[in-house]
Amino acid sequence: EAGVVQSPRYKIIEKKQPVAFWCNPISGHNTLYWYRQNLGQGPELLIRYENEEAVDDSQLPKDRFSAERLKGVDSTLKIQPAELGDSAVYLCASSPTGTGDSYGYTFGSGTRLTVV
Amino acid sequence: GQSLEQPSEVTAVEGAIVQINCTYQTSGFYGLSWYQQHDGGAPTFLSYNALDGLEETGRFSSFLSRSDSYGYLLLQELQMKDSASYFCAVRDGRSNYQLIWGAGTKLIIKP
Repeated sequence: EAGVVQSPRYKIIEKKQPVAFWCNPISGHNTLYWYRQNLGQGPELLIRYENEEAVDDSQLPKDRFSAERLKGVDSTLKIQPAELGDSAVYLCASSPTGTGDSYGYTFGSGTRLTVV
Repeated sequence: GQSLEQPSEVTAVEGAIVQINCTYQTSGFYGLSWYQQHDGGAPTFLSYNALDGLEETGRFSSFLSRSDSYGYLLLQELQMKDSASYFCAVRDGRSNYQLIWGAGTKLIIKP
């Protein structure tokens, strides 16, 4: 079974430029998460999807961040315009709906964003 | 509010046993999870404790005491490949049931 696939693996952009990250979750996993992880810290949730519906986007900076999950499968996270403070690793994770935390989340390898 | 505390770094010797502690403060409690993350890698789920006691999975065990708001991850027969960061995480009912993560404990293993 393929894991959670993210691309690109690395991205370097100048501030004020747009950037987009793509995620393909594990087949059959209805719940999809986007996290941001700063160096030396734990992941912080940006948005959670149940199928195509964003059910928790309370920590998504909506002035510059947007996300979509068309057809309830792949998802894209966009930043426009990027700021220096957006430099971080952006992680996508998925889990089956209704399993709680017993089986945990499956994470992708992340996209390391550097804004210069 | 919510917070998790875990040591920032722990050092141990190959073949030894190490314990990584985690204390938490949450509004409501829905279980304690542990994840492993190698440098540059993805977090990987290790264990989940919803009830008090010890859960064993191979060389790794996880313990929970809900009355003390405390848990730990126990790693036995340490191997060099266990060098990684270990995160505890709890689900907080007051934060829309989000999984809140600690800052992580970097485990350094010496030969």
